[in-house]
Amino acid sequence: EVQLVESGGGLVQPGGSLRLSCAASGFTFSTYSMNWIRQPPGKGLEWLSYISGGSSTIYSADSVKGRFTISRDNAKNLVYLQMHSLRAEDTAVYYCARDRFDGSHYVPFDYWGQGTLVAVSS
Amino acid sequence: QSVLTQPPSASGTPGQRVTISCSGGSSNVGTNTVSWYQQLPGTAPKLLIYSNNQRPSGVPGRFSGSKSGTSASLAISGLHSEDEADYYCATWDNSLNGRVVFGGGTKLTVL
Repeated sequence: EVQLVESGGGLVQPGGSLRLSCAASGFTFSTYSMNWIRQPPGKGLEWLSYISGGSSTIYSADSVKGRFTISRDNAKNLVYLQMHSLRAEDTAVYYCARDRFDGSHYVPFDYWGQGTLVAVSS
Repeated sequence: QSVLTQPPSASGTPGQRVTISCSGGSSNVGTNTVSWYQQLPGTAPKLLIYSNNQRPSGVPGRFSGSKSGTSASLAISGLHSEDEADYYCATWDNSLNGRVVFGGGTKLTVL
């Protein structure tokens, strides 16, 4: 069974840093690309960042470029989101999500974790 | 302001057919495939439709997707009370170097 479990969220002061982790199980992690997506309270979804299976390709949304960095450790089945210079508007539930290719179609975000809440406040 | 435009709300009665639209432009919906996600209250989103009209295994046939030009639609037939949720469309945007964009979401109420 595919499982994605995020951790590392919490309360952080403006300007602070936080590293989120997403632990994957139930599939061959190194062969799947991964993403981080967030959702501010009561608002919609915002895609943040993508990393390919071997880490050779990384994309990030302009809203977090230079502040957030995605990375992965295939030996540990973990994907990370390092966040710096956090602002109040970064307050959100952060999800990791898997992509896959079914042989004919690219399937974005076919599995999601349960999310971890990041609150940025003084 | 989302790149993809969805109606903020939609409603229907049990058994009815409801459609939710997702309007974009030539750099996103017009060029790339669209996926749809269902988010039940208090839970993580779940993939409903990918590649415009493909259903993952386990998603009921009541859910269907289509795309024409720069607009896509999600249709739910035989509406059930448990379909009450937020629905989001998503695709890639070539003007943003292929970054993923989401619609603002549509809250579906089953009356």
